[in-house]
Amino acid sequence: DSGVTQTPKHLITATGQRVTLRCSPRSGDLSVYWYQQSLDQGLQFLIQYYNGEERAKGNILERFSAQQFPDLHSELNLSSLELGDSALYFCASSVNPGYDEQFFGPGTRLTVL
Amino acid sequence: AQSVTQLGSHVSVSEGALVLLRCNYSSSVPPYLFWYVQYPNQGLQLLLKYTSAATLVKGINGFEAEFKKSETSFHLTKPSAHMSDAAEYFCAVSVAGNQFYFGTGTSLTVIP
Repeated sequence: DSGVTQTPKHLITATGQRVTLRCSPRSGDLSVYWYQQSLDQGLQFLIQYYNGEERAKGNILERFSAQQFPDLHSELNLSSLELGDSALYFCASSVNPGYDEQFFGPGTRLTVL
Repeated sequence: AQSVTQLGSHVSVSEGALVLLRCNYSSSVPPYLFWYVQYPNQGLQLLLKYTSAATLVKGINGFEAEFKKSETSFHLTKPSAHMSDAAEYFCAVSVAGNQFYFGTGTSLTVIP
């Protein structure tokens, strides 16, 4: 158990819908990262937050957005969902951004039908 | 810019044989380097990390990796493969203060 929790574990929805994925980092970790993992794209970095502020952006679509709240939990919002958005979405946390190891949550498996 | 290349998306070894998973990085400044393992239906777990102390880094489950600056490599090895080592392995690089860059992963199969 990494100490990072993600909810829900599984999510099935339809194209065009909007969903919110939630992540609680390890106690004491200020950085949160979001990743998308799919068979064809591999592990893709989406976005990073540090203590509530956006720190780095990766391959995140405009239909996706995220935020980190004052209690340090984070949410990833996916809207206008397409079939290709079906993937595993991981959240990770670390104490400091960049050079500390990241601790990964168990992931949320999103299926878009 | 930083990047990571993992040579070989699939590697098969016999049980008891040497495991060698290759990782090369590019970075304009000394990097931090990591190996992660992902078992089926689980998140990634840290195996080991290099942070400019010793060039030979020992990790969990008998794995180790050697940082070779001249070759810009950080290959992962284990002397004797176990069935339980079958998993996906990811190499990652980070330059202090920046995001992580993950390789595309290597799927390790252990043949009994």
